[in-house]
Amino acid sequence: EIVMTQSPATLSVSPGDRATLSCRASQSVSNNLAWYQQKPGQAPRLLISGASTRATGIPARFSGSGSGTEFTLTISSLQSEDFTFYYCQQYNNWPRTFGQGTKVEVK
Amino acid sequence: EVQLVESGGGLAQPGGSLRLSCAASGFTFRSYSMHWVRQAPGKGLEWVSYISSDSSTIFYGDSVKGRFTISRDNAKNSLYLQIYSLRDEDTAVYYCARETYGSSSDIDFWGQGILVTVSS
Repeated sequence: EIVMTQSPATLSVSPGDRATLSCRASQSVSNNLAWYQQKPGQAPRLLISGASTRATGIPARFSGSGSGTEFTLTISSLQSEDFTFYYCQQYNNWPRTFGQGTKVEVK
Repeated sequence: EVQLVESGGGLAQPGGSLRLSCAASGFTFRSYSMHWVRQAPGKGLEWVSYISSDSSTIFYGDSVKGRFTISRDNAKNSLYLQIYSLRDEDTAVYYCARETYGSSSDIDFWGQGILVTVSS
């Protein structure tokens, strides 16, 4: 099983600042990596697929990068609605695996 | 509008069984692979199971293998998850989720989830 490790667990950022979230895979997943946003009490929403392709309707302030084992989700200028939870997921191998999540909170 | 609506959750006893259903609408269900993903209270996402569009390929997570059975009925636009030998650690919100169209991909749409509580 591929283990996905997200860091940090909690990221404290001021509104308008940049947030950088990391996701590391225990072995290469090529670019088969997705990022999801989840607000409390809601279902997750796809942000990024293929490591760097924004999903339909996702604002340009969200960007993804990386390949192999190291990936980054960047939120260029945090808006109030962006303070929530983010998960990475690899879909290169079975079983699919998620990272444990990063909570982005207001500093 | 794409919709995935889960049902069948609730309170169940340890060792018991439960069948979750997911009613799909707003898209051509028979063309899409589907997943179940769960989330224990206050915890992260855990992938549970996958079924291909024609049911020919099925996968399970290690923690549920041998106790969970995924199935679908394309004529009824429905996805199912049969859960046997329920354990306390199966307590979670269970999400029905659609895989992005195409080969081996991410999840592009999620249902709102259904809570399963395992307790005596």
